[in-house]
Amino acid sequence: GDSVTQMEGPVTLSEEAFLTINCTYTATGYPSLFWYVQYPGEGLQLLLKATKADDKGSNKGFEATYRKETTSFHLEKGSVQVSDSAVYFCALSDLSGGGTSYGKLTFGQGTILTVHP
Amino acid sequence: NAGVTQTPKFQVLKTGQSMTLQCAQDMNHEYMSWYRQDPGMGLRLIHYSVGAGITDQGEVPNGYNVSRSTTEDFPLRLLSAAPSQTSVYFCASSPRGGVGYEQYFGPGTRLTVT
Repeated sequence: GDSVTQMEGPVTLSEEAFLTINCTYTATGYPSLFWYVQYPGEGLQLLLKATKADDKGSNKGFEATYRKETTSFHLEKGSVQVSDSAVYFCALSDLSGGGTSYGKLTFGQGTILTVHP
Repeated sequence: NAGVTQTPKFQVLKTGQSMTLQCAQDMNHEYMSWYRQDPGMGLRLIHYSVGAGITDQGEVPNGYNVSRSTTEDFPLRLLSAAPSQTSVYFCASSPRGGVGYEQYFGPGTRLTVT
């Protein structure tokens, strides 16, 4: 079945540092890939997405490129801020697998990011 | 436009009790789903619905029931609560099911079963 693996956390950085959160996936079909962010006490929000190979998703200074050859979708930001402190989830959706997969998002375990001033 | 709303925000149940978690969306979305979030496991799909009157099981459906009588509402029922159901529950909706659609999440319900 489908699966998503994220780098082990938590990640602690100083403000203005460079961020990378690794994400690799296994999928039967041709998935769409997502990064969701969860701020403390809130639900998940879509951060960015990519629907085909070599697409780059970007939002709020974050970027991720869909790499089919390495089955990866690593999240990067050049200069993090304290307000970026949150939990980040990599996820995929894939139509293969029939009824129980329809519309389903398969999530990684989440990476806690803390940014200090 | 309130998006996806969930009630209650917090709930404590005793083992064996039943309850319903409420979820509503005002975006006229066809697809709605319930996930549970457990530490170190990401989110896992419990049940989903592709439209009013149509529901199906996700990967962890045991102990939960759903129904979808209207486009807007998608309640999740715990039939006989167990400590293993202690979790944070998220409802989500998207315009349609399938690959590539963004899902919009509610703020969550934190459930503790003692």
